[in-house]
Amino acid sequence: EVQLVESGGGLVQPGGSLRLSCAASGFTFSSYEMNWVRQAPGKGLEWVSYISSSGSTIYYADSVKGRFTISRDNAKNSLYLQMNSLRAEDTAVYYCARDRIRGVAGLFDYWGQGTLVTVSS
Amino acid sequence: DIQMTQSPSTLSASVGDRVTITCRASQSISSWLAWYQQKPGKAPKLLIYKASSLESGVPSRFSGSGSGTEFTLTISSLQPDDFATYYCQQYNSYPFTFGPGTKVDIK
Repeated sequence: EVQLVESGGGLVQPGGSLRLSCAASGFTFSSYEMNWVRQAPGKGLEWVSYISSSGSTIYYADSVKGRFTISRDNAKNSLYLQMNSLRAEDTAVYYCARDRIRGVAGLFDYWGQGTLVTVSS
Repeated sequence: DIQMTQSPSTLSASVGDRVTITCRASQSISSWLAWYQQKPGKAPKLLIYKASSLESGVPSRFSGSGSGTEFTLTISSLQPDDFATYYCQQYNSYPFTFGPGTKVDIK
């Protein structure tokens, strides 16, 4: 059974940093492209970042470019999101999501349960 | 960036009703469109991909159609489990973008 379990969320002050993790199981993690998608409280979904299966190709939404860094450790079946210079508008539930088809980015077939990041003083 | 819009934003319906949600893209996305269902406090669930392909395990009462810039999600006979928020999403190009959502609630 495919499972994605996020962790690392919490309360952080504006300007602070946080590192999210996503532990994957039930599939060959190293073969799949992965993403982070977020959802502000009561709002819609916003794609945040993509990383290829090898980690060689990375994309970011403009809203986080230069502040967030996506990475992965295929040996540990884990995906990460390093978030720096956090702002109030980064407050959201952060989901890791798997790309359904290798080579077709942006179609998310499995999602984690999400981890809440709250940026507030 | 490709902007996605959905209509209506809220839809009140009864069990057994046929429900249609419309999604429009600001430019052509061919058939690179997905539909997700989300219930409160839960992660989104993939229903439809490539505009009209049903994801494995999704009931056949869900169907999708369209290409280019206009798409629809249809639920042929609404069931109690279908009351949720539905999002369309384009994966034609970065950044991947979602519609604002359509909440289907009980009439």
